[in-house]
Amino acid sequence: EAGVAQSPRYKIIEKRQSVAFWCNPISGHATLYWYQQILGQGPKLLIQFQNNGVVDDSQLPKDRFSAERLKGVDSTLKIQPAKLEDSAVYLCASSLSTGTGRGYTFGSGTRLTVV
Amino acid sequence: GENVEQHPSTLSVQEGDSAVIKCTYSDSASNYFPWYKQELGKGPQLIIDIRSNVGEKKDQRIAVTLNKTAKHFSLHITETQPEDSAVYFCAASEGGYQKVTFGIGTKLQVIP
Repeated sequence: EAGVAQSPRYKIIEKRQSVAFWCNPISGHATLYWYQQILGQGPKLLIQFQNNGVVDDSQLPKDRFSAERLKGVDSTLKIQPAKLEDSAVYLCASSLSTGTGRGYTFGSGTRLTVV
Repeated sequence: GENVEQHPSTLSVQEGDSAVIKCTYSDSASNYFPWYKQELGKGPQLIIDIRSNVGEKKDQRIAVTLNKTAKHFSLHITETQPEDSAVYFCAASEGGYQKVTFGIGTKLQVIP
């Protein structure tokens, strides 16, 4: 089966600019996650969708980050305006089951550098 | 919320030796403990997991142990090979819709 697709792979922007990341999960996976992985740290959950509804966005900095999942399939994560500390790899994952980690499939991520 | 601590942060072993990575968690409600392997430029990949009703689980050269009383769990890799070199993450979750909290990661280097 095809994996989780993410684009772009790399992005360099200046602080205060905006940026958007795209994720296409595995077909049929109802649950979609966005994680932020800062260099040298473990992934941190930003937002979790079940179909097109938000299950958990408690760690999403809502003043600058937004995410949507259109028709319960693709998802976009946006940052506006970006700060230097947003430099990280943004990982998208999807799963059939509900939030247990089992069956998580991660994409390769988008590496964001804010200068 | 849950806090997962992981050590060591780096680990170098000779090929054929064993490697052990240890984690602790804080939330007694956590009942699911997956381990992920992340290779350079790739997303984390689930390699093994364990639930709180099991004390040990083994899959070929990889084993995980869980001490729920002490809130400790560990990953054991035997007969290490160069392709085992990667960053390994432990994680914990309450299951259901609850989020998975990751440790900081251990960079394992297997020296041929």
